[in-house]
Formats: sequence, C-alpha cells, structure tokens
Amino acid sequence: GAVVSQHPSRVICKSGTSVKIECRSLDFQATTMFWYRQFPKQSLMLMATSNEGSKATYEQGVEKDKFLINHASLTLSTLTVTSAHPEDSSFYICSAERTGTDTQYFGPGTRLTVL
Amino acid sequence: ELKVEQNPLFLSMQEGKNYTIYCNYSTTSDRLYWYRQDPGKSLESLFVLLSNGAVKQEGRLMASLDTKARLSTLHITAAVHDLSATYFCAVDSYSGNTPLVFGKGTRLSVIA
Repeated sequence: GAVVSQHPSRVICKSGTSVKIECRSLDFQATTMFWYRQFPKQSLMLMATSNEGSKATYEQGVEKDKFLINHASLTLSTLTVTSAHPEDSSFYICSAERTGTDTQYFGPGTRLTVL
Repeated sequence: ELKVEQNPLFLSMQEGKNYTIYCNYSTTSDRLYWYRQDPGKSLESLFVLLSNGAVKQEGRLMASLDTKARLSTLHITAAVHDLSATYFCAVDSYSGNTPLVFGKGTRLSVIA
C-alpha cells in the first residue's frame, strides 16, 4: 500500500505555455501533500505545502502566482507551472502524507523541460 | 530554522570496503529519514529512525540515530556496485504537517 503516482512522468513544452502536473495517492487519503523541486545534482527543495480544501503554503522565494497548487480532494493535488520558462526546467516530486500519520510517501517525479 | 548537513557529499569507494555517511541537524527532532535516489528516479525510503539510540539494518546498510548529538549515521558494509546512488537524510522538526528538511545528499560511487 501507500502508492503515490504522478502524471505526466515527463513533459516538454514551449516557453510561455502552462503545464499541469498531477499527484495522486492511489490507496490512501492524504490531507496534506508536498511539492518539491530538484535541480540536477542538487537536493530536494520544498516549494509548497498543499492542504486539502485550503490554500497552499508556499516557501520563501516561490512565486505563488507562477506555481498554482490545487488540492481539491483527499487523493489529488495539482501543480500548474504557468508561463513556463527554461529556468523552470527541473524534476518535480510530490509527496503525500497519509491522513492521521506523519509519514510521507513520494511520487515517482515529473521531469519538466521547457524549450 | 532547521538545517541538515551531510558529509561527505561525494564518496568513491572500492567494492568490499566499509564507510559511513554522516547527517547532522541543528535543532531538536523526533524523526529522521534516509532515502536512496538513483539517477532520474524519485526517492526510495530506506530507514525511518524515531528515537534516540535507534538502529536499523537492511542488507549492507545500517542507520543509527543519536538525538542528543543530533547525528545520524548510515554505515555501508562491504560495499557492492549496486549501492551506487545518492543518499539523502531528511529531518522532521516535530510531529504534524511538517515538511521534511533534506540534506544535500551524498553521491556514492562504488568501484571495482
């Protein structure tokens, strides 16, 4: 149990377009999900904490208008990168915290390349 | 602000040798995680350490936690090539909906 999926796994888009990444907890409910970004050969950096039914909490330096997060259900959070630019190219990883526990389960990641 | 430091950041070791990766953190924490990441992949959970003195072992890897010293170690015994990966430690500062704070990772390369 405790499987987290992300879709798509890879996406290539043109500069200026928007890209939506989905994070789903497949066999458990997750009131809280987290979005991370990882640049090549670097560690994971938390972007935002997504809570079901409320606004996301963004880390310092992360533009909330650029990285739109929606957590409309207990099993789905989406991250939309708006007006993407090449510097947004990165590996985006979500994690889902099983409701009632402190345990996070990580998704397989989405590799975004902006041309 | 919780800070997590790992060392070394790069480690090249011969097959069959032993080595230890260190993870120091700056404030009180009640749980520490070790993850493995292969190139192009997401994180694979290795260990969750929940209390002072906790020791867990899986195969050639053993992790320990000293909350008083704010230190965790990941010990590698008789390394094999398959252990080549990047290893991250991550720390929760307290229970609840708390994000994990990750170390920078240790890139391990095991060579013949």
